[in-house]
Amino acid sequence: SQKIEQNSEALNIQEGKTATLTCNYTNYSPAYLQWYRQDPGRGPVFLLLIRENEKEKRKERLKVTFDTTLKQSLFHITASQPADSATYLCALYNQGGKLIFGQGTELSVKP
Amino acid sequence: DAGVIQSPRHEVTEMGQEVTLRCKPISGHNSLFWYRQTMMRGLELLIYFNNNVPIDDSGMPEDRFSAKMPNASFSTLKIQPSEPRDSAVYFCASSPGQGTSPLHFGNGTRLTVT
Repeated sequence: SQKIEQNSEALNIQEGKTATLTCNYTNYSPAYLQWYRQDPGRGPVFLLLIRENEKEKRKERLKVTFDTTLKQSLFHITASQPADSATYLCALYNQGGKLIFGQGTELSVKP
Repeated sequence: DAGVIQSPRHEVTEMGQEVTLRCKPISGHNSLFWYRQTMMRGLELLIYFNNNVPIDDSGMPEDRFSAKMPNASFSTLKIQPSEPRDSAVYFCASSPGQGTSPLHFGNGTRLTVT
């Protein structure tokens, strides 16, 4: 079955630096991949979608890459701010058409 | 747009009791999803509906779980009887349709079964 792996350890960075989060997947080649942000006590919020024929997608300070050879997506936040502190989840549609999520990586940006 | 609305926000119940979680999707969205989130297993898809019809309930853990969508603006997830291992945060999400549409999540119901 399809599996998504994200760094389970929290990522701690200094304000102003670039945060890079990793999402690896196995046993499947999805046509596209989504990234969500989740704050404590809230539901996930959609951020970006990237398709398999798009190497890179940008939205303001966010950048997502999609390497179908490595089966990996990287999520970057440039000029990070304390307000970016949250858990970030990647998700993909599996072969059964269901949207499955990784466990998420918690990001903490210190001032 | 009020977003996806779930109720209650918190539910504490005793083992063996019936629990009903409620969801109002975003108006105009054709697909509705129920997820469960725990520290150990993350977000798990329980069931999803398209145009009020259940499409895939293979994620429903046991017969104790049931979900209904009587109309386009309301869905329920029922657990009967509840057990302590059902304790989790239950999310409802909706989307405009199938395919690449992103999901819009509610803020969840935190269920504690003692």
